[in-house]
Amino acid sequence: EIVLTQSPATLSLSPGERATLSCRASQSLSSYLAWYQQKPGQAPRLLIYDASNRATGIPARFSGSGSGTDFTLTISSLEPEDFAAYYCQNRSNWPTFGGGTKVEIK
Amino acid sequence: EVQLVESGGGLVQPGGSLRLSCAASGFTFSNYAMCWVRQAPGKGLEWVSVVSGSDGSTYYADSVRGRFTISRDNSKNTLYLQMSSLRAEDTAVYYCAKRGTVTTFYYMDVWGKGTTVTVSS
Repeated sequence: EIVLTQSPATLSLSPGERATLSCRASQSLSSYLAWYQQKPGQAPRLLIYDASNRATGIPARFSGSGSGTDFTLTISSLEPEDFAAYYCQNRSNWPTFGGGTKVEIK
Repeated sequence: EVQLVESGGGLVQPGGSLRLSCAASGFTFSNYAMCWVRQAPGKGLEWVSVVSGSDGSTYYADSVRGRFTISRDNSKNTLYLQMSSLRAEDTAVYYCAKRGTVTTFYYMDVWGKGTTVTVSS
């Protein structure tokens, strides 16, 4: 089973700052990784698929990069609505999720 | 508008059973694989199961295999999760999610709002 480790667990930033979230896989995923955003009390939303492709309707301030075992989600300038939890997921018929990173207001 | 609406959650005793449903609308249901994903209180996401749109193939997480059964009725645009031998650790919000197509085939691009299952005596 592939294990996805996200860091940091919590990221405290101010609106307008740049956020950098990490997801590390226990084995190579090539480019087959997605990122989801989840706000409190809401369902997750697909942000990025195949490491770097934005899903439909996702703002350009969200970008993904990486391949192999190391992946990064970057939010170039945090908007108030971006403070949320973020999860990575590998592409598989038995997918796993990372433990999540909570981006909170500093 | 693409929409998924879960129902069937509730309080059940350990060892009991429950069936969740997910009503889909706004897309051709039979063309897409459908999943269940759960989230225990205060915890992260855990994928539970998936059923393909084409041949009905099913896959399960180790934690539920042999206890949960995923199924779908394409004539009713409805996804199901039959849960039995429930344990306290199955307590969670259960989300129904649609998988994508072609480039997003293995990812979940539409989610329902979830239904809460509580396993407790």
